[in-house]
Amino acid sequence: AQKITQTQPGMFVQEKEAVTLDCTYDTSDPSYGLFWYKQPSSGEMIFLIYQGSYDQQNATEGRYSLNFQKARKSANLVISASQLGDSAMYFCAMRETYTNAGKSTFGDGTTLTVKP
Amino acid sequence: DGGITQSPKYLFRKEGQNVTLSCEQNLNHDAMYWYRQDPGQGLRLIYYSQIVNDFQKGDIAEGYSVSREKKESFPLTVTSAQKNPTAFYLCASSIRQGLTDTQYFGPGTRLTVL
Repeated sequence: AQKITQTQPGMFVQEKEAVTLDCTYDTSDPSYGLFWYKQPSSGEMIFLIYQGSYDQQNATEGRYSLNFQKARKSANLVISASQLGDSAMYFCAMRETYTNAGKSTFGDGTTLTVKP
Repeated sequence: DGGITQSPKYLFRKEGQNVTLSCEQNLNHDAMYWYRQDPGQGLRLIYYSQIVNDFQKGDIAEGYSVSREKKESFPLTVTSAQKNPTAFYLCASSIRQGLTDTQYFGPGTRLTVL
């Protein structure tokens, strides 16, 4: 079974609007971290935001926030006030503390296009 | 400036040749990783190392080899046994953040087999 599922292969958003990129995960490990990365056309993976499974509050980093719904096993990325430079591929990832320790699992990604 | 460097950026190889991709980090991270990415797809783990002189196979280790003689360096050799090596290769290192490690990536090496 897929451990990380990103159901939106491609998304479009108008500049200055907010957009939500979906991510669901599957684990029986009680302790884990969830991550979002941005990959522009240059190829480098840029770390955006982290959420721990025990964190009570949703993580935020500037225009990025992570909508963490533990019971639904979802970790959606919200980008506010989209900019043209946000056009890129976005990957959700999970790292379990005990199961498969030392390894991360990545989703297949969502391509975001910001329209002017 | 701390970071992860990978070289070369582009690499061309003839069939039957071994090639080595370089990865160096000056972040003082203990763990390092190699991933392969095919066009339009996610990342697949090749090898990882949590400490010097120790490494483990990832999900697609066949046809690849690594070494970890220094904390800063984790070179990947793509051998002639790798049937379809044309891909984008990403190196990462990680540091503990909260419950688990956060990975940071280098700029990648694009390997093409001619």
